[in-house]
Amino acid sequence: DAGITQSPRHKVTETGTPVTLRCHQTENHRYMYWYRQDPGHGLRLIHYSYGVKDTDKGEVSDGYSVSRSKTEDFLLTLESATSSQTSVYFCAISGTSYEQYFGPGTRLTVT
Amino acid sequence: GENVEQHPSTLSVQEGDSAVIKCTYSDSASNYFPWYKQELGKGPQLIIDIRSNVGEKKDQRIAVTLNKTAKHFSLHITETQPEDSAVYFCAARINTGGFKTIFGAGTRLFVKA
Repeated sequence: DAGITQSPRHKVTETGTPVTLRCHQTENHRYMYWYRQDPGHGLRLIHYSYGVKDTDKGEVSDGYSVSRSKTEDFLLTLESATSSQTSVYFCAISGTSYEQYFGPGTRLTVT
Repeated sequence: GENVEQHPSTLSVQEGDSAVIKCTYSDSASNYFPWYKQELGKGPQLIIDIRSNVGEKKDQRIAVTLNKTAKHFSLHITETQPEDSAVYFCAARINTGGFKTIFGAGTRLFVKA
């Protein structure tokens, strides 16, 4: 497995609370991505990073922000969680902008 | 917007038979087409990929074909085994507006022993 860890692996939170998910890599890859996975939708890109402090929006970025202050860490923040953000979140990394390798996922439940 | 359609959504085959999953993409500038296998409770795993300058690629029991004119690509698994049971996703890397990969909705493959 690629050296990717995600934390926490499971989280239950209440509507309106802030939540931060962490992705950590040991591969020194340039690109990092956050996806959400929902039944019937496959994987949808939330945000991605192409270098330290360089990020851009994906197709479902509303309600999410990201930060990357070090090559190895990419944080996803839900400023005020909503029930529609209940999902499984995957981080991915790639050394080029092609092959992506996924982490184990974080299951987030917003009640 | 960019879209990747994947069919079928569910596929059941007998062990030893072949399985074929098909995808179509909308962005003609797409140049990279990976396939991922996802087992229950795990992240997607890259199993094979193809670039737009290649028509076919094989790796043991799996192969991928690409028809750029029709904007179709397919995954072929031969001599299926029970451990091939999983959800398979196709994807297309679009070449406009940054480094984005669009995924299909997935195919759940059941291989019956």
